[in-house]
Amino acid sequence: DQQVKQNSPSLSVQEGRISILNCDYTNSMFDYFLWYKKYPAEGPTFLISISSIKDKNEDGRFTVFLNKSAKHLSLHIVPSQPGDSAVYFCAASAKYGGSQGNLIFGKGTKLSVKP
Amino acid sequence: ETGVTQTPRHLVMGMTNKKSLKCEQHLGHNAMYWYKQSAKKPLELMFVYNFKEQTENNSVPSRFSPECPNSSHLFLHLHTLQPEDSALYLCASSQGFAKDYGYTFGSGTRLTVV
Repeated sequence: DQQVKQNSPSLSVQEGRISILNCDYTNSMFDYFLWYKKYPAEGPTFLISISSIKDKNEDGRFTVFLNKSAKHLSLHIVPSQPGDSAVYFCAASAKYGGSQGNLIFGKGTKLSVKP
Repeated sequence: ETGVTQTPRHLVMGMTNKKSLKCEQHLGHNAMYWYKQSAKKPLELMFVYNFKEQTENNSVPSRFSPECPNSSHLFLHLHTLQPEDSALYLCASSQGFAKDYGYTFGSGTRLTVV
């Protein structure tokens, strides 16, 4: 039973346009959400995070939006660049509750940004 | 060296072999984790160690045996594995809860069981 779902395995976007990656979760105890980026042959690297007390967090070209009522978050990348091509993982944690603060990951979405 | 280092990067082993994966972190973190990444599946949490004590075993088969001799080193001992155990095994470390500090991952060990 997946607690963090990324239903789009892949996404292709033209350079300069916006990339929107989506993530849904089922555990209402999750109170912190993170996005990780992974290049081939490397481990995931932290990209951006958001606490459940916020609905938006922005860092340069990257913005994460959180809709708690829908249990949905999204990562916006604008403008998209070819170097953004990677697999993006959504992750969530709950300081209290079953996962004991550990990160629970989605399956990932492979983003391809075409020049 | 800095960050989280995993060795070997690639490993091919037969089903009757015994091998070990090694993870070392130079960040002064107190928690270490093993994750498994299989094709078309989420990263699956396997084991968690806090201050060298195992705090979580996520229903992992006994053919996987973790060892954490100190807060900087983590091993995953493998024996009598199955072909379906072929995957990327990722080690991570953190200072505390992910909420406060996030995780730092190693580059992983690509394991193939033949």
